[in-house]
Amino acid sequence: DTEVTQTPKHLVMGMTNKKSLKCEQHMGHRAMYWYKQKAKKPPELMFVYSYEKLSINESVPSRFSPECPNSSLLNLHLHALQPEDSALYLCASSQDQRKNYGYTFGSGTRLTVV
Amino acid sequence: DAKTTQPTSMDCAEGRAANLPCNHSTISGNEYVYWYRQIHSQGPQYIIHGLKNNETNEMASLIITEDRKSSTLILPHATLRDTAVYYCIVSPGSGNTGKLIFGQGTTLQVKP
Repeated sequence: DTEVTQTPKHLVMGMTNKKSLKCEQHMGHRAMYWYKQKAKKPPELMFVYSYEKLSINESVPSRFSPECPNSSLLNLHLHALQPEDSALYLCASSQDQRKNYGYTFGSGTRLTVV
Repeated sequence: DAKTTQPTSMDCAEGRAANLPCNHSTISGNEYVYWYRQIHSQGPQYIIHGLKNNETNEMASLIITEDRKSSTLILPHATLRDTAVYYCIVSPGSGNTGKLIFGQGTTLQVKP
């Protein structure tokens, strides 16, 4: 299995809702990442997990809460989002946080906040 | 991290070589050059990386100038499926903090 699977593919949520994005990989990768991508912009790094521990938080607002329950799973919990948080959320994994090559990205969850 | 400069867009005829340039004049000695691409509606895909020697794999070739201030990604026989945004990224190898930071990239349009 050489894929990163993200669910759901599309999500519409209200500003008072709580929802979660899920990311799964079975490549034995020990680093996992969340990126946010607005339309026609490059992906922006949000969080990095290394060996199931949060390694980097790029000053992301607390309404985004990451979780890494085990080495194969990465969640992003969403609460009280704003319409400007609407974007494509990409998950990625790599063999090790120290290596910038060989990232495998999922196809993303397209989030719309209404 | 060193910054990169890439042309906003490029066209290439199908079957011809696509040469995508990248300037990274402030690159440090321990920083690698990485190339990723993003096809519409998909996540980015790793292509190739290098430090100072030229590199080739099944997807592309990477040519890095001797002074390491610029590089060129070469797709030898571009197809319509190579239409994508191509990102050139420089980042440390060893001691890397784990940040893969994307710049604006080059939109490559391969035309029939």
